[in-house]
Amino acid sequence: GQNIDQPTEMTATEGAIVQINCTYQTSGFNGLFWYQQHAGEAPTFLSYNVLDGLEEKGRFSSFLSRSKGYSYLLLKELQMKDSASYLCAVRDNAGNMLTFGGGTRLMVKP
Amino acid sequence: DVKVTQSSRYLVKRTGEKVFLECVQDMDHENMFWYRQDPGLGLRLIYFSYDVKMKEKGDIPEGYSVSREKKERFSLILESASTNQTSMYLCASSYGSGANVLTFGAGSRLTVL
Repeated sequence: GQNIDQPTEMTATEGAIVQINCTYQTSGFNGLFWYQQHAGEAPTFLSYNVLDGLEEKGRFSSFLSRSKGYSYLLLKELQMKDSASYLCAVRDNAGNMLTFGGGTRLMVKP
Repeated sequence: DVKVTQSSRYLVKRTGEKVFLECVQDMDHENMFWYRQDPGLGLRLIYFSYDVKMKEKGDIPEGYSVSREKKERFSLILESASTNQTSMYLCASSYGSGANVLTFGAGSRLTVL
């Protein structure tokens, strides 16, 4: 099975940097995804890591360490519109299923 | 843009009723998924399908069934709704083999009284 942990809530200030962590214990691993979900809306894809290291995409970066079962999403130059839930999801070995963590609700304050 | 459309945004049903949730995608994706989302529990996979007439159980299939008669349409069925099935239901689709990048629908909020 898969067990995925994320902090429930985080608060940060506009313009700052925030790091959202995700740890996982899984019976198999074939990639890790991050999704963003604004309140009342559908989740949208942010990033994907399958190899160790950092993937950068504009203000957002995602890091993976497979040996540690650990990932983080880094958001730079925070904007008010970044207030949302951030979902970490792990794909199983067969690549057939995504298992999601509980999500981290990020509140950005002026 | 890939579009995943869920037929009902809000539904209110009574215990014991049969409920159909419909999902249609317009980009010829092979894979379709049904999740439910509950506070503190995140998204949990109910069923998925990789081809027409094919279905696989996810983590919480009990009390649900699905139908995929056409490639673009994936239906979730609650044969006899119960109050613990009150939830937000999200449909998603993806291309290729396996669970690649998912595109989600806007969700269907079901309340069972």
